[in-house]
Amino acid sequence: AQRVTQPEKLLSVFKGAPVELKCNYSYSGSPELFWYVQYSRQRLQLLLRHISRESIKGFTADLNKGETSFHLKKPFAQEEDSAMYYCALRGITDKLIFGTGTRLQVFP
Amino acid sequence: DAGITQSPRYKITETGRQVTLMCHQTWSHSYMFWYRQDLGHGLRLIYYSAAADITDKGEVPDGYVVSRSKTENFPLTLESATRSQTSVYFCASRDRDGYGYTFGSGTRLTVV
Repeated sequence: AQRVTQPEKLLSVFKGAPVELKCNYSYSGSPELFWYVQYSRQRLQLLLRHISRESIKGFTADLNKGETSFHLKKPFAQEEDSAMYYCALRGITDKLIFGTGTRLQVFP
Repeated sequence: DAGITQSPRYKITETGRQVTLMCHQTWSHSYMFWYRQDLGHGLRLIYYSAAADITDKGEVPDGYVVSRSKTENFPLTLESATRSQTSVYFCASRDRDGYGYTFGSGTRLTVV
């Protein structure tokens, strides 16, 4: 079964602190992993996907198949990073399965 | 970009009423999806469609009906609304060869 777990509902940090949003997945094949971000009352936007291995807005995420994880990291958090972050998995069926989300609060 | 639009943005309805949420995309994307967003549950897939006239159930399809007679439209109908269907509903689309899902702005539905 496909499953995405985000263990933290809320992560609060001060501006300039490092951030790590955890994501673990369960999937028997080779999944595609994504991070989506939702700013207050806005639509979800694609932030990262593991295949591209790029850095967007200072965020990076590395797929660790051994630990079945795809944690999102940023070395220095900014206040504008405050948002809801969703990890998502796409398997062979083309359905995008989301985790329950982590709310990131960055205090000044 | 406003390639995928949802209407209405807000809707209040009474228990037992039928409600239809609209989703329209201008890219001719093959795939379209309906999700509901609830605190503590994240986004859960209700229904999806791989092409016109092809639909399939997601995680939480009970109480919902979809149709896709045209590629660009994917309406979601609540046949007899219940309070548990109070939620924010998001429509999304993806091209067959693409990787990213583009989401609409959402419909906030309240069932009283």
